[in-house]
Amino acid sequence: KQEVTQIPAALSVPEGENLVLNCSFTDSAIYNLQWFRQDPGKGLTSLLLIQSSQREQTSGRLNASLDKSSGRSTLYIAASQPGDSATYLCAVEVRTSGTYKYIFGTGTRLKVLA
Amino acid sequence: EADIYQTPRYLVIGTGKKITLECSQTMGHDKMYWYQQDPGMELHLIHYSYGVNSTEKGDLSSESTVSRIRTEHFPLTLESARPSHTSQYLCASRAGTGVSEQYFGPGTRLTVT
Repeated sequence: KQEVTQIPAALSVPEGENLVLNCSFTDSAIYNLQWFRQDPGKGLTSLLLIQSSQREQTSGRLNASLDKSSGRSTLYIAASQPGDSATYLCAVEVRTSGTYKYIFGTGTRLKVLA
Repeated sequence: EADIYQTPRYLVIGTGKKITLECSQTMGHDKMYWYQQDPGMELHLIHYSYGVNSTEKGDLSSESTVSRIRTEHFPLTLESARPSHTSQYLCASRAGTGVSEQYFGPGTRLTVT
């Protein structure tokens, strides 16, 4: 059974720091991995989607990498800002019982201090 | 910007009432999903649909039901709300073919008293 773990559960950093969020999954048979951010009481906003054949994706100050064989992905945030404060979730798409589903981690709660 | 909408955003209702949470998207996506999320916890898939007249139960057992009569609309119904149904309900959609991002609505926070 696929399990997704995100470490650390919470992180507090001063503004301007570069930081790395980690996501690990137990089964390397994934189709893609997607990073989201979630603001308190809101839905999820898609940040980056990495296909299983890709190693990384970049969007602005965000860079996500994927190492399928080791079951790991990282989300790198450059020059963090207070507006980056949110919970960051990773999710892997797997095939189970003939259907494709996303399995989510519990997230990393990030606070960027001004 | 994803065009997926959920209403109501917040709902407080008494035990035993029937409720319907609305979800609609204007992107023409075939695949739609309902997730349940408790505070600080991961999302759990409760229902999904791959197109009109297609609905399936997800991984988390739920007493809710869904319907998919139109591509853009995927409502979730609770026939008799209970306090254990108190949670946040998130609707999502994605294109039906190829590798595609999943887009989420803003969520409905349901409280059953």
